Order: sequence, then C-alpha cells, then structure tokens
Amino acid sequence: SAVISQKPSRDICQRGTSLTIQCQVDSQVTMMFWYRQQPGQSLTLIATANQGSEATYESGFVIDKFPISRPNLTFSTLTVSNMSPEDSSIYLCSGEVNTEAFFGQGTRLTVV
Amino acid sequence: GIQVEQSPPDLILQEGANSTLRCNFSDSVNNLQWFHQNPWGQLINLFYIPSGTKQNGRLSATTVATERYSLLYISSSQTTDSGVYFCADGSGNTGKLIFGQGTTLQVKP
Repeated sequence: SAVISQKPSRDICQRGTSLTIQCQVDSQVTMMFWYRQQPGQSLTLIATANQGSEATYESGFVIDKFPISRPNLTFSTLTVSNMSPEDSSIYLCSGEVNTEAFFGQGTRLTVV
Repeated sequence: GIQVEQSPPDLILQEGANSTLRCNFSDSVNNLQWFHQNPWGQLINLFYIPSGTKQNGRLSATTVATERYSLLYISSSQTTDSGVYFCADGSGNTGKLIFGQGTTLQVKP
C-alpha cells in the first residue's frame, strides 16, 4: 500500500489567482495521477504526472490551466491557474502500487 | 473507452439493514477497485478485486469478470457507512482509473 499526504486540505481563493496543490507519497511510485471532482459528480482524470517528462493531459484539460510537476518518484504538484468559480471542485492525487490506486485526502477548492 | 455504470444511484437504509451495490462494465475488467468517499472528500480503499470474492468485516465484494460486473455487499449497516461508494476500473495498462457515477448511501439511525 501507499500513504499519500496532500495539502492543502481546503482553500478559498479569489478569482484570477492560482493555487498549487502538493502530494507526497511515502514510497516511490512510477505513476501518479491528478483527478477533479466537481460538486455532486464523479471523478474525472486531469492528467498523468510523469517523472522526468511533461505530464500527459486528458481531453478537455490543458497545461496552461493545470501545470503539473513531478520532480521525483515520491512527489507531484498540480497548479490551478487563473481560477474562476467553475474551478471550485475537489482535487485528488493518486499513486499506483502493484496496479492498486491509493489517493490523497483531497483538496476542497472554493473560488469566489 | 471503457464505461462504468453503478446502481442504484441513491440508497437509504435503516441501521442494521443489508445492501448490495452493483457495478457494470462495458469492457473486460482490469484493476477493479471499490472506494468509499467520506463526507470530507477522502477516498478510502475498500477492495482491490479484479476477480473473485473478498471480505473485510461487514463488507464483502465479488467480481465476475466474465460477465463484467462487480457487487459490493454491506451487512448490518451503520450510520458511519454513509457516504458515496465508487467503483473504478483501469484503462488497459495505463494506470488510469475510470470511475462510475457512484452510489450515495444514507444510513438512518
């Protein structure tokens, strides 16, 4: 298994600003992922965070809006840029260990 | 790509009742997992179950890969079981998870 520490757990941000979310894993994981969960909805994959290379984004998500870093096998960040109220969601990171996914605690973002 | 359908979308139980949640898949099962999302938004791993049956206390799960479905059983439900239950499966060998829409469970005292 893996324990993933995600922070901040929640934040209220002004529109037009940016927020960086961090995830730290207690062991090395090859693959890390970032998901968004809009209010009342299921989880949607934003991107796969690749160590040593650019992230791979899913359809509808772009690097300028959601830049991702993956400097090593235990850490990743997601930035939500130039925020609008539509970005209010829960953002979750996950890591895969032996094909099983483990999630951070989530970041509940409210944009006002 | 693979599609995941969960039923029922909502469920209300009296404490002590049993329930069965279902997950259907449009394609072959890869890395099926069940999660419970608590009121704070955290996803808790319940089962990693690409096939067969597993049990953990009052919870158990069964996946019939050949028929592309999985079931989550909750017995003697408690108010702390309330929340949203998600099933998800991997997309090929990419590690990506495709989530169902979830079942919102409310257990009343």
